[in-house]
Amino acid sequence: AQSVTQLDSHVSVSEGTPVLLRCNYSSSYSPSLFWYVQHPNKGLQLLLKYTSAATLVKGINGFEAEFKKSETSFHLTKPSAHMSDAAEYFCVVTLEDAGNMLTFGGGTRLMVKP
Amino acid sequence: NAGVTQTPKFRILKIGQSMTLQCTQDMNHNYMYWYRQDPGMGLKLIYYSVGAGITDKGEVPNGYNVSRSTTEDFPLRLELAAPSQTSVYFCASSLVRDPSYEQYFGPGTRLTVT
Repeated sequence: AQSVTQLDSHVSVSEGTPVLLRCNYSSSYSPSLFWYVQHPNKGLQLLLKYTSAATLVKGINGFEAEFKKSETSFHLTKPSAHMSDAAEYFCVVTLEDAGNMLTFGGGTRLMVKP
Repeated sequence: NAGVTQTPKFRILKIGQSMTLQCTQDMNHNYMYWYRQDPGMGLKLIYYSVGAGITDKGEVPNGYNVSRSTTEDFPLRLELAAPSQTSVYFCASSLVRDPSYEQYFGPGTRLTVT
């Protein structure tokens, strides 16, 4: 079975400081991993994805994530937070032999202070 | 392109009432999905469809029904609404089953059952 754990339910940073949102997964096989962002009262938007190519993945809006198999982690980072980054972020895992079924983490709410 | 559209945006139901949540996509995607998102939680898969006329249960199907008569539409039916079905419902679609392909999400329907 696959599962995803987002280690922080809330993260608060100041504008202009780095962002780190942590995600660990468990999977018996090689997973595909995603980060989705959800702004208030909006649907989910894909930030970036890892599908067994380069382990450092760059996404939209300056976000990136590194797949570390030895640590079973896929943490999301951004060098400098912007007010518009305030949103809910979901780490998601899926397996090729699981019919592209997404398994979601519980979410991390990112707050950005001016 | 409109992408994935959902109606209604909001609905309040009384216990025992029924309703249909509508979902339409204009991207000619074969795969469509219904998720629910409870407060502070990640999304859970209710039902999915791999093409017109083919549907299957996800993680939390009890209390719901679906149909897929066309490629574009994938309605979700609640027959006897219960307070436990208070949630935000998201419809999504994807082109193929390959996990490297993105799922596109609609804006959601916020349902309250009282």
